[in-house]
Amino acid sequence: SAVISQKPSRDICQRGTSLTIQCQVDSQVTMMFWYRQQPGQSLTLIATANQGSEATYESGFVIDKFPISRPNLTFSTLTVSNLSPEDSSIYLCSVPGDPYEQYFGPGTRLTVT
Amino acid sequence: GENVEQHPSTLSVQEGDSAVIKCTYSDSASNYFPWYKQELGKRPQLIIDIRSNVGEKKDQRIAVTLNKTAKHFSLHITETQPEDSAVYFCAASRAFNDYKLSFGAGTTVTVRA
Repeated sequence: SAVISQKPSRDICQRGTSLTIQCQVDSQVTMMFWYRQQPGQSLTLIATANQGSEATYESGFVIDKFPISRPNLTFSTLTVSNLSPEDSSIYLCSVPGDPYEQYFGPGTRLTVT
Repeated sequence: GENVEQHPSTLSVQEGDSAVIKCTYSDSASNYFPWYKQELGKRPQLIIDIRSNVGEKKDQRIAVTLNKTAKHFSLHITETQPEDSAVYFCAASRAFNDYKLSFGAGTTVTVRA
């Protein structure tokens, strides 16, 4: 399976500010995914990041709030903008394996004060 | 979109006993069903998966069964051990198309020594 890293591992941010999360993979992948895990909850897909095209957002998530970049096949960023306490969550990136598996990064724990 | 329901939400078992978690899905086009184990503060880890052309799959003490007609699948853990204590998530996807995972709400399993 791919080795996936995320930065930062955790952060505490003030409301109204933004946080950019980086996801790095040790091999080239066509698709990367961003998930949100609210405290004590399950995982919800935010968007699919494809290299060379705009990200595809799931219902309830918009580009203005969660802009995503995918400059190459091993890297992606997720920005959580205009932070509010409700954005306090763990954000995880994931990549598909061979043939259908999906593997997760270690996550970024965001606390908004 | 896909809706995955998972039961029970919590499960407490005596060490050595079996644990069973059940999930149902709504999208008949879903064809890939992974199970993830998430320990406190860690990323979800893929523990077993099953594809729609298979009815059952085993890996040591873990097994998964799939009933496509009824649209439900189950995780079975035999001879439970304290290290099996974790949150377990089922998921479903149209793996042949987009890899996007829809997760169940999770089951907190506690193995009593």
